[in-house]
Amino acid sequence: GQNIDQPTEMTATEGAIVQINCTYQTSGFNGLFWYQQHAGEAPTFLSYNVLDGLEEKGRFSSFLSRSKGYSYLLLKELQMKDSASYLCAVRDRNTDKLIFGTGTRLQVFP
Amino acid sequence: DTAVSQTPKYLVTQMGNDKSIKCEQNLGHDTMYWYKQDSKKFLKIMFSYNNKELIINETVPNRFSPKSPDKAHLNLHINSLELGDSAVYFCASSQDPRGSRADTQYFGPGTRLTVL
Repeated sequence: GQNIDQPTEMTATEGAIVQINCTYQTSGFNGLFWYQQHAGEAPTFLSYNVLDGLEEKGRFSSFLSRSKGYSYLLLKELQMKDSASYLCAVRDRNTDKLIFGTGTRLQVFP
Repeated sequence: DTAVSQTPKYLVTQMGNDKSIKCEQNLGHDTMYWYKQDSKKFLKIMFSYNNKELIINETVPNRFSPKSPDKAHLNLHINSLELGDSAVYFCASSQDPRGSRADTQYFGPGTRLTVL
């Protein structure tokens, strides 16, 4: 089966750095996605990792360790508009389904 | 231009009614999906179609029936609505379901269904 764990909520200060962790267990791993979802809006794609290591994209970076079943999303120079839920999702190789975690709600304070 | 669009955005209806939600994508993608996001914000796959063919059919009540008239459209029809059907339903599309970066899914704005 599949299981994805993320912290439910996090808080941080504007200008700071925050790391959102995601651990997963899956019978067939074929990529990990991070999505951002503002309240009342659709999830939007942030990053994709399929090989171990760090993928950097502007203020956002995502890391993957397949042997540990672990990923994190790193947000630098936090802005108020980064307040949102961040969803970790793993693609199952056997079914091609995208399995989502419950999301981490990040609140950025001035 | 909207990439993935859904109508309606809000749907309020009585228990027992039948309703439909429509989805259209203009990205030229081959695969479309329906997800349900419950009150705890958990996003779960319901159905997936690739070139009008059903490829993922999760364990959902058979009151839910997807229909894909062409690869740019995937509609969701729900019969005999129940209180527990209240949720936000998201449509999504992707280019290639078979496991590559191209499989990034793009989501529509969601339809908030409230069953009274």
